[in-house]
Amino acid sequence: DVKVTQSSRYLVKRTGEKVFLECVQDMDHENMFWYRQDPGLGLRLIYFSYDVKMKEKGDIPEGYSVSREKKERFSLILESASTNQTSMYLCASSTPGGPINYGYTFGSGTRLTVV
Amino acid sequence: QKEVEQDPGPLSVPEGAIVSLNCTYSNSAFQYFMWYRQYSRKGPELLMYTYSSGNKEDGRFTAQVDKSSKYISLFIRDSQPSDSATYLCAMNRGSQGNLIFGKGTKLSVKP
Repeated sequence: DVKVTQSSRYLVKRTGEKVFLECVQDMDHENMFWYRQDPGLGLRLIYFSYDVKMKEKGDIPEGYSVSREKKERFSLILESASTNQTSMYLCASSTPGGPINYGYTFGSGTRLTVV
Repeated sequence: QKEVEQDPGPLSVPEGAIVSLNCTYSNSAFQYFMWYRQYSRKGPELLMYTYSSGNKEDGRFTAQVDKSSKYISLFIRDSQPSDSATYLCAMNRGSQGNLIFGKGTKLSVKP
């Protein structure tokens, strides 16, 4: 019954590495989102996408990029990982518009540690 | 002033207690108000949503929105240990479904 799958549960990377976080959804949702979640700061939006090949910056896009080549897949890229990017990364998807469609479906998260 | 403010807690209550969780917000354009529940080591899941002002009830859970005060609440009646989780409020920032979240309140219900 898994609907949003994040490729890794735990990841440890070195400073300066290029890191790819993958997210796949099987609900044919148009919208996909990447958030990071940190203690005391809550969920913060990094990037989102309303359609294939489209992307929009969220609140904290610096140091990140995204790719959406297929509807079901949304990748988050850390161009050059830094220790301040150590965090829990959450992917979510939804359909556009209407009250029920604000109900994001989240993945279980990827806990990334940059050393 | 932050767009959404939520007391992070932690909040600890005995089983059977009534729990009140709250958020305030500053943007009067918000129309949809949601509560998400997040268990440890899991992603958040939608618990309830409300459009504009008013109340909505679902079993032991009641969501209230007071747009005049820019204040939303989630009440949990007859709280259970299984309700122990972090509760996040969320509001729409745009028509396409871009949500802004509160920081979450960690709730612990003791048997």
